[in-house]
Amino acid sequence: DAGVIQSPRHEVTEMGQEVTLRCKPISGHDYLFWYRQTMMRGLELLIYFNNNVPIDDSGMPEDRFSAKMPNASFSTLKIQPSEPRDSAVYFCASSLRERGGEQYFGPGTRLTVT
Amino acid sequence: AQSVSQHNHHVILSEAASLELGCNYSYGGTVNLFWYVQYPGQHLQLLLKYFSGDPLVKGIKGFEAEFIKSKFSFNLRKPSVQWSDTAEYFCAVNVYGGSQGNLIFGKGTKLSVKP
Repeated sequence: DAGVIQSPRHEVTEMGQEVTLRCKPISGHDYLFWYRQTMMRGLELLIYFNNNVPIDDSGMPEDRFSAKMPNASFSTLKIQPSEPRDSAVYFCASSLRERGGEQYFGPGTRLTVT
Repeated sequence: AQSVSQHNHHVILSEAASLELGCNYSYGGTVNLFWYVQYPGQHLQLLLKYFSGDPLVKGIKGFEAEFIKSKFSFNLRKPSVQWSDTAEYFCAVNVYGGSQGNLIFGKGTKLSVKP
């Protein structure tokens, strides 16, 4: 299996622009997670899905952030409008219920908002 | 609310020194326990996990961890660290023994190994 795939790997954008991050989970996994990691705040869970349904979005920082999972093999995290404080590495992870919570992380998207 | 505490923010060791990183969690029920490692510039990777059975679990690269239920702890150990072990280490807990999908992560411990 190719593992969790994220794109783009790097994104540089200007403040106010819309940013869309993409994730393809491991085939057959039924959970998908979006995390954000910064030096200041560490690793934060933003939102997670089970069988394409959002379960907990309490970590989404504000309404500028939205996430969708239209099918089992694709998810997006959108920031509109982006701000410099959104600069971070965004990780997607997936897991299978039968694996007891073990998550597999993607390589991450490094977002820089200038 | 459930939480995971990692006692040390940054640990600095010389090569060949022994390592122990502390992890405590706050949940009295069934848990699955994990240690993840994040090498500089990379993503989190599974180091080892405990679901049930022998409370001493062995992972990759010579790491091991011991689950002590009475202390709600899952400390990570390695008898002799190498420079290549420089990384950030995260303890994580899945409460309810896996019936819920999410993990609760600790804040991480940065390990720096001096050659």
